Amino acid sequence: DAGITQSPRYKITETGRQVTLMCHQTWSHSYMFWYRQDLGHGLRLIYYSAAADITDKGEVPDGYVVSRSKTENFPLTLESATRSQTSVYFCASSETGNQPQHFGDGTRLSIL
Amino acid sequence: GNSVTQMEGPVTLSEEAFLTINCTYTATGYPSLFWYVQYPGEGLQLLLKATKADDKGSNKGFEATYRKETTSFHLEKGSVQVSDSAVYFCALSGGSNYKLTFGKGTLLTVNP
Repeated sequence: DAGITQSPRYKITETGRQVTLMCHQTWSHSYMFWYRQDLGHGLRLIYYSAAADITDKGEVPDGYVVSRSKTENFPLTLESATRSQTSVYFCASSETGNQPQHFGDGTRLSIL
Repeated sequence: GNSVTQMEGPVTLSEEAFLTINCTYTATGYPSLFWYVQYPGEGLQLLLKATKADDKGSNKGFEATYRKETTSFHLEKGSVQVSDSAVYFCALSGGSNYKLTFGKGTLLTVNP
């Protein structure tokens, strides 16, 4: 089915480990985004990408790395996980920059 | 920078009651405005949008009007249902990176 899928849905890991969250969309949307959702903060933008091989920082990029070698994939990597990165992570995509964004179902990440 | 302020919840209503969730924004230029809804365990879904002043977005009985003079985009529904129980987010999109700026969300619970 067409859409945007995130994997895994749930992940538990330990501090200092590297973890990668996957995001895949089947619409060939140009723009893709990563947000984190935390109680009291709403959703905050981590990184975004306007096209393959073009990425840029959002509001809270520290500790995260992204890549976009193919239009449909936009993985988010925590190089050395910290407890403060425990959160729910959402990937989103949009056809163009000013079209509505479509969200995946999220990855709930717990860092012990 | 851009910001969105929405009424804090939680909001608890009886079925068939009238709903208003207030949202005001601060932005430069002419942002697009959105309401997203998040059901438990799911990602955000676009509920409605408005792209210019005086536009009214509507969907599933929900409405919101883009009021530039009061910088507001209040969400309303004349008769809520139990199935409307969810978290509602007001958001705006503007600026060069097209990122969404979210309010902190309002939890709505509708009782039968």
